[in-house]
Amino acid sequence: DIQMTQSPSTLSASVGDRVTITCRASQSISFWLAWYQQKPGKAPKLLIYDASSLESGVPSRFSGSVSGTEFTLTISSLQPDDFATYYCQQYYSYPVTFGQGTKLEIK
Amino acid sequence: EVQLLESGGGLVQPGGSLRLSCAASGFIFSSYAMSWVRQAPGKGLEWVSAISGSGGSTYYADSVKGRFTISRDNSKNTLYLQMNSLRAEDTAVYYCATQMTTVTKVPYWGQGTLVTVSS
Repeated sequence: DIQMTQSPSTLSASVGDRVTITCRASQSISFWLAWYQQKPGKAPKLLIYDASSLESGVPSRFSGSVSGTEFTLTISSLQPDDFATYYCQQYYSYPVTFGQGTKLEIK
Repeated sequence: EVQLLESGGGLVQPGGSLRLSCAASGFIFSSYAMSWVRQAPGKGLEWVSAISGSGGSTYYADSVKGRFTISRDNSKNTLYLQMNSLRAEDTAVYYCATQMTTVTKVPYWGQGTLVTVSS
């Protein structure tokens, strides 16, 4: 199975900050990776698919990139609505796997 | 409007069974692989199972293999998850969702249904 190692597990930041969340795959998954945002009591919301494609309706301050097996989600300027938990997910092969999650907190 | 509406959750004793259903509307259900994803209280997301659009291929996480069965009825636009031999660690909110694949990038999720396994 492909393991997805996500870091950090918690991130404290302020409105306006630029933040980066990383996911590393245990083997090559090409660019078959998605990023989700989840708020308490809600279903996850897709932000990025295929490593760097922005889902329709998602603000352009969100971006994704890949280098080898390391994937990065960047939020260029944090807004109050961005404080949530973020997950990566590989869909290169079954079983599909998620990262452990990153909780983005207000500093 | 796209809707995925889960039902069938509830309280069940360890060793018991439960069947979850997910009624889909607003999109061509048979065209998309579907999945179940769960989230234990206060924990992260865990992919459970997926099924191809035709229903001919199924996939499971090791944690549920041999105990859970995913199926679909495309004539009823409904996805199912039969859960047997339930354990306390199966307690979670279960989400029905379209499955992201290398071909399709359709991000539909239900609101989730809570399954509690406890005596």
